[in-house]
Amino acid sequence: DGGITQSPKYLFRKEGQNVTLSCEQNLNHDAMYWYRQDPGQGLRLIYYSQIVNDFQKGDIAEGYSVSREKKESFPLTVTSAQKNPTAFYLCASSVGLATTGELFFGEGSRLTVL
Amino acid sequence: EDQVTQSPEALRLQEGESSSLNCSYTVSGLRGLFWYRQDPGKGPEFLFTLYSAGEEKEKERLKATLTKKESFLHITAPKPEDSATYLCAVQAVRNTDKLIFGTGTRLQVFP
Repeated sequence: DGGITQSPKYLFRKEGQNVTLSCEQNLNHDAMYWYRQDPGQGLRLIYYSQIVNDFQKGDIAEGYSVSREKKESFPLTVTSAQKNPTAFYLCASSVGLATTGELFFGEGSRLTVL
Repeated sequence: EDQVTQSPEALRLQEGESSSLNCSYTVSGLRGLFWYRQDPGKGPEFLFTLYSAGEEKEKERLKATLTKKESFLHITAPKPEDSATYLCAVQAVRNTDKLIFGTGTRLQVFP
């Protein structure tokens, strides 16, 4: 089955630690995205990548980093510089938003900072 | 500033009781408006794309419509399995790289 796999589903982190969230897709999509979802707020774009070895900051990139070394993979690192990292993180992919606005989402990763 | 506002925040319906969800938007040139469904603890699932005023799309008990200022998601004779959060998003002509999401309407349908 084609789709997007995010891991881990739940993650607990102590303050001051970096954590990396995994996102893998087998849809052969060029574009991949990371969103953050908080209660009472819309999905907010963290980073996106439209091609391998290239990525752009979204609206709330501070305290986060990404890489895109392979078409299938787009990991997100939540660094200790992110002041309020507890949230639900969603990875998505598409053939390219300039072509279609349809995003395919993973099941999400819930990060809790203790 | 491009903006999306959804109302109501939450809606409780009896099974079979039809209603509508609203998505108002302000965008400098609309390229597309999108509806997604999100179940608790899951990622959103794409439902519809609307591109121009007057356009309508249907899927089972759901029908989405679009005007120049807002979109409606009409739910006819809902069932408990329609319970979910419904998200609206817009894409601006001047920046097709991203979608701007509303905060969603949480729908609960009771038997």
